[in-house]
Amino acid sequence: DAGVIQSPRHEVTEMGQEVTLRCKPISGHDYLFWYRQTMMRGLELLIYFNNNVPIDDSGMPEDRFSAKMPNASFSTLKIQPSEPRDSAVYFCASSLSATGQPQHFGDGTRLSIL
Amino acid sequence: QKEVEQDPGPLSVPEGAIVSLNCTYSNSAFQYFMWYRQYSRKGPELLMYTYSSGNKEDGRFTAQVDKSSKYISLFIRDSQPSDSATYLCAMTRLGGGADGLTFGKGTHLIIQP
Repeated sequence: DAGVIQSPRHEVTEMGQEVTLRCKPISGHDYLFWYRQTMMRGLELLIYFNNNVPIDDSGMPEDRFSAKMPNASFSTLKIQPSEPRDSAVYFCASSLSATGQPQHFGDGTRLSIL
Repeated sequence: QKEVEQDPGPLSVPEGAIVSLNCTYSNSAFQYFMWYRQYSRKGPELLMYTYSSGNKEDGRFTAQVDKSSKYISLFIRDSQPSDSATYLCAMTRLGGGADGLTFGKGTHLIIQP
């Protein structure tokens, strides 16, 4: 079975540019999560969706960050305008809501803002 | 104080040793506890998933939860070089995948051949 698929795997761009990260969750999963990983802060939850509806976006750092889930098989995380402190690895994860079901992670997008 | 504290290591042990990894937490609302393994440039993969206090064993891995002390552990027996990775503890209030995970910062483990 295909796991969570993220694209691009690597992104290098200049400060001020718009960045769009993409995620395809595992088919049939009804929850989707976006996390950010840095050396200083570790893995932190940014936002999550249930059945394509945002449930909790309290982890989104600033208004420069936005996330959408237009359908059950696709989500985007957008940063506009980007800043060097946004450099991190961004992970997408998906899960089933049934008790005992784990979150499955993609391999992340490594983002560098110059 | 962070909600979840985890010694970042690195922790270096010889092959075949028993490894003990630990996390402490402050939020008594956490009910579900997980250990993830993360290889370099990969996403975290689930190793163990436990609910409430007690022990859970899966092959060479044993997870322990002590909710009264707010302390969780992962033991790895007969450690192998392939176990070298970063180990992340994670926890959540709600069961299943219906809640975001709160992670420790991870312990970098090195198993020396």
